[in-house]
Amino acid sequence: QSALTQPPSASGSPGQSVTISCTGTSSDVGGYNYVSWYQQHPGKAPKLMIYDVNKRPSGVPDRFSGSKSGNTASLTVSGLQADDEADYYCCSYAGSNSRPYVFGTGTKVTVL
Amino acid sequence: EVQLVESGGGLVQPGGSLRLSCTASGFTFSYYWMHWVRQAPGKGLVWVSRIRTDGSMTNYADSVKGRFTISRDNAKNTLQLQMNSLRAEDTALYYCVKEGAYADFDYWGQGTLVTVSS
Repeated sequence: QSALTQPPSASGSPGQSVTISCTGTSSDVGGYNYVSWYQQHPGKAPKLMIYDVNKRPSGVPDRFSGSKSGNTASLTVSGLQADDEADYYCCSYAGSNSRPYVFGTGTKVTVL
Repeated sequence: EVQLVESGGGLVQPGGSLRLSCTASGFTFSYYWMHWVRQAPGKGLVWVSRIRTDGSMTNYADSVKGRFTISRDNAKNTLQLQMNSLRAEDTALYYCVKEGAYADFDYWGQGTLVTVSS
């Protein structure tokens, strides 16, 4: 069961933007518009930041945006702030009963 | 306010068993699919299991199929994970997770740590 591929790390200075990619296959990311993104601070539970490829839950700043093209989804964090420093995971619906969901490998975002 | 509180984690020997529980509040528990997701120390998130609203359908990752059993009690707003034949590679923080409306995970518990070691 392969995880979705994310870069291990990304970084940017305060105020800058950073984009994280999430590459899957036509069986997951490319096959469904059910991509979500999660932020996880050290020692904390993950928090939903983006769902349905590009929708933000209530309370998530509009600095966070999502998109998808083919088998690759992306999360962009604009106007980086210190509190954005965290691990980010993508997740895609994959349809099969033995693998209905697959997470990405995770990206550590560092605010320089 | 939605709350998911896990319990039941601990240290167990290889081959042993453990039963995790999750108590839900702040939403109509019986309306939602529920999941377990785990995270090994220093590693990423891995989906483990899910259960339909009424408990009539369950699914498991290949790595735990035949060893783990997910169940729920809608009258008590609780979710369980019975873990048998535990292996060292099952060592992880186990999260109870509520499924949202768009195949997402909108609420997470704080997790309960399972350590499999002799």
